[in-house]
Amino acid sequence: QKEVEQDPGPLSVPEGAIVSLNCTYSNSAFQYFMWYRQYSRKGPELLMYTYSSGNKEDGRFTAQVDKSSKYISLFIRDSQPSDSATYLCALVGSYNTDKLIFGTGTRLQVFP
Amino acid sequence: NAGVTQTPKFRILKIGQSMTLQCTQDMNHNYMYWYRQDPGMGLKLIYYSVGAGITDKGEVPNGYNVSRSTTEDFPLRLELAAPSQTSVYFCASSYSATSGIYNEQFFGPGTRLTVL
Repeated sequence: QKEVEQDPGPLSVPEGAIVSLNCTYSNSAFQYFMWYRQYSRKGPELLMYTYSSGNKEDGRFTAQVDKSSKYISLFIRDSQPSDSATYLCALVGSYNTDKLIFGTGTRLQVFP
Repeated sequence: NAGVTQTPKFRILKIGQSMTLQCTQDMNHNYMYWYRQDPGMGLKLIYYSVGAGITDKGEVPNGYNVSRSTTEDFPLRLELAAPSQTSVYFCASSYSATSGIYNEQFFGPGTRLTVL
């Protein structure tokens, strides 16, 4: 079983739609949950991260962690064409915070 | 600040050739990392360094070597290139990974390598 599973997509939505991106994981030791955004032919950049369970909101983006289900989500409200990118979840345990475990990434396309 | 810079942007190698991918950061980060990204496979850690003179293997180190003589530079060496090393390589850096605290990793723009 992979440590992190993420649907590769692609996910194609119209502008203004609510987007839901998800990852599941197997190791309950993970404590930090990150979402990286990667534009085509660029390096990943951190979008937001949460510690342990709960929600975190930043503008149009909301990250949600459900540790009991080992399930993390990223919601994008009022999606824009500029949100078109690959979104990678990344997890790390508190015991070894330099070792990121990445999901495979979900490619999102928002069309006007 | 330029952040994390990588050279070259693109390279085509023949099987058996060798090359060095360069990575430099100007944020005074003590941790540096090398990842490879294959289509549909996410990023895999090749090597990392916690400071000058200290390096350690990641998940997929075979076929690669690293050195860290300065805080700023972390070159990745490919010896005897193979088609399986065709990938996009990303360098990243962060402040020290204090136990229990996550510190953001900042990524460079990547090097696209093709081995034919």
